[in-house]
Amino acid sequence: AQSVTQPDIHITVSEGASLELRCNYSYGATPYLFWYVQSPGQGLQLLLKYFSGDTLVQGIKGFEAEFKRSQSSFNLRKPSVHWSDAAEYFCAVGAGTSGSRLTFGEGTQLTVNP
Amino acid sequence: NAGVTQTPKFQVLKTGQSMTLQCAQDMNHEYMSWYRQDPGMGLRLIHYSVGAGITDQGEVPNGYNVSRSTTEDFPLRLLSAAPSQTSVYFCASRLQGARAPLHFGNGTRLTVT
Repeated sequence: AQSVTQPDIHITVSEGASLELRCNYSYGATPYLFWYVQSPGQGLQLLLKYFSGDTLVQGIKGFEAEFKRSQSSFNLRKPSVHWSDAAEYFCAVGAGTSGSRLTFGEGTQLTVNP
Repeated sequence: NAGVTQTPKFQVLKTGQSMTLQCAQDMNHEYMSWYRQDPGMGLRLIHYSVGAGITDQGEVPNGYNVSRSTTEDFPLRLLSAAPSQTSVYFCASRLQGARAPLHFGNGTRLTVT
């Protein structure tokens, strides 16, 4: 069965600083990988996804992520964080027939200091 | 375009009561799913459906039933509520195929006393 680990429960950065959120996955085949963001009281919104090809993928709101098969990682990055980026971030891996079963990590809560 | 609509937004139940969480989508998505979100545990898949008349169990199906009689609706039934089912529940849908992104509702916060 697939699994996802987000090692950092809570990260605090200053506005304008760079950001990297870690994600490690476990899956036997080539995974489908996603990053979602959740603002308070809201559902989740897709930031970006990886299926194959170029290992550096661009997403919305200036986010990018890099797939590293050798490290089983899919870390999310942003060069300069804005106060509006404060939210909870979830990494997820898809598996099963047509990726029917999506497994989420525990989430990383991001706080942005002014 | 309403997207994925969940009702109610909040619900308090007593142990042993039953209820149905409603989920409707207007995007003609074949795939629909229910997740529960608990602190420190991320989202866990309860049940999912790949089309009308087809449902399957996810990671934590015990205590929950689903049915899919139409493409638009995917209700989640709690047969006999327990305090362990206190959680935030999210419905999500997408087009068929793993490459399509999931669209989430805004959640239902359920408390079982």
